[in-house]
Amino acid sequence: QVQLQESGPGLVKPSETLSLTCTVSGGSISYYYWSWIRQPPGKGLEWIGYIYYIGSTNYNPSLKSRVTISVDTSKNQFSLKLSSVTAADTAVYYCARGRNPDVWGKGTTVTVSS
Amino acid sequence: EIVMTQSPGTLSVSPGERATLSCRASQSVGSNLAWYQQKPGQAPRLLIYGASTRATGLPARFSGSGSGTEFTLTISSLQSEDFAVYYCQQYNNWRELTFGGGTKVEIK
Repeated sequence: QVQLQESGPGLVKPSETLSLTCTVSGGSISYYYWSWIRQPPGKGLEWIGYIYYIGSTNYNPSLKSRVTISVDTSKNQFSLKLSSVTAADTAVYYCARGRNPDVWGKGTTVTVSS
Repeated sequence: EIVMTQSPGTLSVSPGERATLSCRASQSVGSNLAWYQQKPGQAPRLLIYGASTRATGLPARFSGSGSGTEFTLTISSLQSEDFAVYYCQQYNNWRELTFGGGTKVEIK
């Protein structure tokens, strides 16, 4: 069955760029949408954006100026970059399959702190 | 932006009782509504999509209903493993997906 695994630094300094990768195993990245969603400590879910396997994207308007999502079909991976981070970007970051996701990664905690 | 409002914020229910969770959209989302369950320290789990279609393997005690702006998730007889936070999400406006704030179902 399809599994997703987030990877990347758990600590990012303010004003720097957060970079995460999601590796898809047990299935192909093709023919699906792939999402990034985050959850600040003790709060609800926030959609960040998604990418179709051919590379078309949609981003949360509130984050659009800072977000880039890309896909590498040869590696069965997709990635998130969030620039100019602040403490408000501290959250658990999830990668997931679909626009109403049916498969989720376990999540990775990213803390923004100097 | 389509705002999703869930009520109540917290629902206290005894095991074996029925739980009814509500989700309201600020404008019509048709049937493009999903429900998720999240337990502490875990990723969300898709329960319902298309407002009323159960995800693969979901017990029949979970049911979803509604369309347009008013939606309901019903758990007919709460089991111990059902105590969790539940989120609704609209995907009708695919340019901007939005989640509700969540309903915590706790043991009474």
